[in-house]
Amino acid sequence: GAVVSQHPSWVICKSGTSVKIECRSLDFQATTMFWYRQFPKQSLMLMATSNEGSKATYEQGVEKDKFLINHASLTLSTLTVTSAHPEDSSFYICSAGENPRGLGTQYFGPGTRLLVL
Amino acid sequence: QQQVKQSPQSLIVQKGGISIINCAYENTAFDYFPWYQQFPGKGPALLIAIRPDVSEKKEGRFTISFNKSAKQFSLHIMDSQPGDSATYFCAARGSNFNKFYFGSGTKLNVKP
Repeated sequence: GAVVSQHPSWVICKSGTSVKIECRSLDFQATTMFWYRQFPKQSLMLMATSNEGSKATYEQGVEKDKFLINHASLTLSTLTVTSAHPEDSSFYICSAGENPRGLGTQYFGPGTRLLVL
Repeated sequence: QQQVKQSPQSLIVQKGGISIINCAYENTAFDYFPWYQQFPGKGPALLIAIRPDVSEKKEGRFTISFNKSAKQFSLHIMDSQPGDSATYFCAARGSNFNKFYFGSGTKLNVKP
């Protein structure tokens, strides 16, 4: 299957700082990537859909100014958590599909664990 | 409103037994139904998937049964092994640009 990577795998930061998480599709081009948040022992919560060359589409209740998404190329999307606070601590996972309008599935990255002190 | 409902929340099975996880959905526009396996601290990995025009799909020890009229689908893990212990998520893809809706997850524990 297709490979999606994330960097960093974990990050600890002080409250008030910004943190950038990268999501890359390694062996395919992804016009669309997705960002999820997962709390312990819970399901994946879709935060936003990242579209190459255009603005991201955010799910209801997700602050777009808090979680900045940039889809700079067909293989890279970044999520920046701005002015992070302890309540932003979570497991962030991205996914990408080989064919957004076709029959393909989503492949997930390994996730990034964020801890805000 | 949860688009995909998954049960049970947790499941304990003896080694060699059959693990069964069920999901139900309401939106008839869903066109693709994957199952993902997630180990602690890792991202979900695609396990097996099915389309609504097929009633069953088998890959090794993993089988999806799909009932279109009942809007239900299930994952069967035959000869369950301790290494299968993980959290399993069902999902359904909507017509809205490949957007996926996930079930709440089932934590499977296979006892040796």
